[in-house]
Amino acid sequence: KQEVTQIPAALSVPEGENLVLNCSFTDSAIYNLQWFRQDPGKGLTSLLLIQSSQREQTSGRLNASLDKSSGRSTLYIAASQPGDSATYLCAVINTSGTYKYIFGTGTRLKVLA
Amino acid sequence: GAGVSQSPSNKVTEKGKDVELRCDPISGHTALYWYRQSLGQGLEFLIYFQGNSAPDKSGLPSDRFSAERTGGSVSTLTIQRTQQEDSAVYLCASSQVSNYGYTFGSGTRLTVV
Repeated sequence: KQEVTQIPAALSVPEGENLVLNCSFTDSAIYNLQWFRQDPGKGLTSLLLIQSSQREQTSGRLNASLDKSSGRSTLYIAASQPGDSATYLCAVINTSGTYKYIFGTGTRLKVLA
Repeated sequence: GAGVSQSPSNKVTEKGKDVELRCDPISGHTALYWYRQSLGQGLEFLIYFQGNSAPDKSGLPSDRFSAERTGGSVSTLTIQRTQQEDSAVYLCASSQVSNYGYTFGSGTRLTVV
């Protein structure tokens, strides 16, 4: 059974810092991995999607990497800003039964001005 | 439409009443998903639709929960005889194909009093 873990559960950093959020998964047979952002009381916003054949994806100040063999992904946020404060979730789809994402419990990020 | 639309955004109901939650996916998205997010918890898969059929209902917590999708578009999640433990944010997502990238709605916050 696929399990997705995110560490740390919460993180506070001063504005301007570069930071890394971690996601690990127990079954490396994934089809793709998606990173989401969730603001308090809101739905989820897709940030980056990495196919299993890819090593990384970039969007603006965000870079997500994938090491499928070790069951890990990282989300790198450069030059963090207070507006980056949110909960970040990663989710994977397995190659078997490829229709539903399995989510981690998220990292709650606070960027201090 | 431009995004996934959910209604109502907030619902307060008395214990024992029935509620209906609505999801209007992105036009042309054949796959539709319902998830539940309880306070401080991760996302819990409820049901998956491909077109109008539901190949996987395994996440529905009890027979008080049901869902349907009509015309390959709008979906309704119905909770009968609501209980306090049903209080959560109910999130709907759609995707163009079942294994590629979700777009989430902003959710319905259900409070059972």
